[in-house]
Amino acid sequence: NAGVTQTPKFQVLKTGQSMTLQCAQDMNHNSMYWYRQDPGMGLRLIYYSASEGTTDKGEVPNGYNVSRLNKREFSLRLESAAPSQTSVYFCATPDQRAGNTIYFGEGSWLTVV
Amino acid sequence: GNSVTQMEGPVTLSEEAFLTINCTYTATGYPSLFWYVQYPGEGLQLLLKATKADDKGSNKGFEATYRKETTSFHLEKGSVQVSDSAVYFCALKPKGGSYIPTFGRGTSLIVHP
Repeated sequence: NAGVTQTPKFQVLKTGQSMTLQCAQDMNHNSMYWYRQDPGMGLRLIYYSASEGTTDKGEVPNGYNVSRLNKREFSLRLESAAPSQTSVYFCATPDQRAGNTIYFGEGSWLTVV
Repeated sequence: GNSVTQMEGPVTLSEEAFLTINCTYTATGYPSLFWYVQYPGEGLQLLLKATKADDKGSNKGFEATYRKETTSFHLEKGSVQVSDSAVYFCALKPKGGSYIPTFGRGTSLIVHP
């Protein structure tokens, strides 16, 4: 998954705590996405950013906020974590010049207790 | 709206068996179609893709043909290996309009020696 870097890889939070997942891409792509992956649910889009300075809600935005800090970075924030947010989170970015192949980060495993 | 339906897993096979994972889609126009693979503990990565009707995508012994008449993009491999054990996701990207991809729920493949 060269090109998309996510941190942290693993995190355990207590209910009510806040945290930010960081994502950076070095492929100079305009768009970036945040997904969550849960058993039996596949990938669900949380938020996306079409370009620097713009963000939009996806399928499951409640409980999350995002920031597109610059073209490279797109962060996901949990303001008050809940057990329902226990999931694996993926940052991704499409190559819109080459058939829209999507490049994913390696994932962030988040557990909320 | 757009949707992707995959066969539910897990699919369990013996090494060297023939693999088919079914994928059908609903979309306006003629989207691009993709198969992504997720190995344990990793993010998704592109396996193959097809951008127009009757195109065949292929990679690592896997193949899928874009069938407009049946709105399908079934994944096949003639002889699976233990190393093919992973989760496979079918996805579509609409042409024009929204650039947000739609993913299926994923199909887990387990290959036994």
